[in-house]
Amino acid sequence: EVQLVESGGGLVQPGGSLRLACAVSGFTVSTNYMSWVRQAPGKGLQWVSTLYSDETTYSADSVMGRFTISRHISKNTLYLQMNRLRAEDTAVYYCARTLTLDTWYLDLWGRGTLVTVSS
Amino acid sequence: SYELTQPPSVSVSPGQTARITCSGDALPKQYAYWYQQKPGQAPVLMIYKDSERPSGIPERFSGSSSGTTVTLTISGVQAEDEADYYCQSADSIGSDPVLFGGGTKLTVL
Repeated sequence: EVQLVESGGGLVQPGGSLRLACAVSGFTVSTNYMSWVRQAPGKGLQWVSTLYSDETTYSADSVMGRFTISRHISKNTLYLQMNRLRAEDTAVYYCARTLTLDTWYLDLWGRGTLVTVSS
Repeated sequence: SYELTQPPSVSVSPGQTARITCSGDALPKQYAYWYQQKPGQAPVLMIYKDSERPSGIPERFSGSSSGTTVTLTISGVQAEDEADYYCQSADSIGSDPVLFGGGTKLTVL
């Protein structure tokens, strides 16, 4: 059965750090593009970052230099290291398998983990 | 900056046809995708490559494209179809390889 299960969310103060994890079963993280997408409370979806199968990374301007996407092959897990967090980073963070045609799209999603940045 | 524009809300009665549009200048050159999101749940891919339906998605969901507008059509709407729907493509100049529309709330009256 295919599953993506996020963890690691919680309450963190502005300027703090948090590491999210996405444990995957049913397919291999290392041979797929994988992405993080977030959704602020009551708002729409926003792409955050993508990890290519060759470990190249690509991130939104709003998180560039603060967030780092990575993976652990043997654990089949995707990570998002989030540093220098801001209030506007408050959101549910989803991991998703990313497929490519002429554009990328996300065919499998986890249930998300909530990150709250507040003092 | 490039945007995908959706109506904030669409309302239909059960059994009717709902049409949700998404407009963007680059859509004639790039595929569009549609996601359904119910409250408290993760998004689900409903349509890919403008009009293709993933396995397991009911046939009443279809997609089409015409010029700078793509449309998600739900025929014979059911109460369970009430959800937020997001279109997705890419920023035509490449700064956002995954770009979502603002979302449309479908209300089944």
